[in-house]
Amino acid sequence: ETGVTQSPTHLIKTRGQQVTLRCSSQSGHNTVSWYQQALGQGPQFIFQYYREEENGRGNFPPRFSGLQFPNYSSELNVNALELDDSALYLCASSFDKGSYNEQFFGPGTRLTVL
Amino acid sequence: KNQVEQSPQSLIILEGKNCTLQCNYTVSPFSNLRWYKQDTGRGPVSLTIMTFSENTKSNGRYTATLDADTKQSSLHITASQLSDSASYICVVRFRGGGADGLTFGKGTHLIIQP
Repeated sequence: ETGVTQSPTHLIKTRGQQVTLRCSSQSGHNTVSWYQQALGQGPQFIFQYYREEENGRGNFPPRFSGLQFPNYSSELNVNALELDDSALYLCASSFDKGSYNEQFFGPGTRLTVL
Repeated sequence: KNQVEQSPQSLIILEGKNCTLQCNYTVSPFSNLRWYKQDTGRGPVSLTIMTFSENTKSNGRYTATLDADTKQSSLHITASQLSDSASYICVVRFRGGGADGLTFGKGTHLIIQP
């Protein structure tokens, strides 16, 4: 088990609703990345936050947004939910934003959109 | 386009047997390659990391190899245990890439039968 925690564990929403997922990074880590993992697929990069600033974004629409707090915990917000948003959402923290820093993943939040 | 292909897609073996998982990538320029183990519904956990100059690395019963010339990697599991049942994901980092510099494979789903 890593020191990264995510909440909630599971979530069920309906189309058009909004959702907020939360992540607490491992102690000493200032960088948080969010990934979407559809069933049977590898994780897809959503965005990364480094010291409260967005530090890169994948190919996801603007209705996916996030923020990072001074304690380096982070939130992922998704507006206007679509059925295809159903997935496991993973948060990963790292010591710094450098490419050689290992990312430690949380257990994920399973989002189901009906 | 940077891609990571893993084979087989799924594998069933008997407890105590060995197995080898394959990873081919087209990521260039290459920085490093990681193998992750992901239990069902959980976040990935790093097993090994290899850079360009490394061609083998072990972590207990897990041994990863890398051939940077042919852009192939393998993960060998020795004397499999029931707890090895999981998905194994190959992740390649693009040198010079930023936050989005990781390319994930879809994983190999391994089932160990008693």
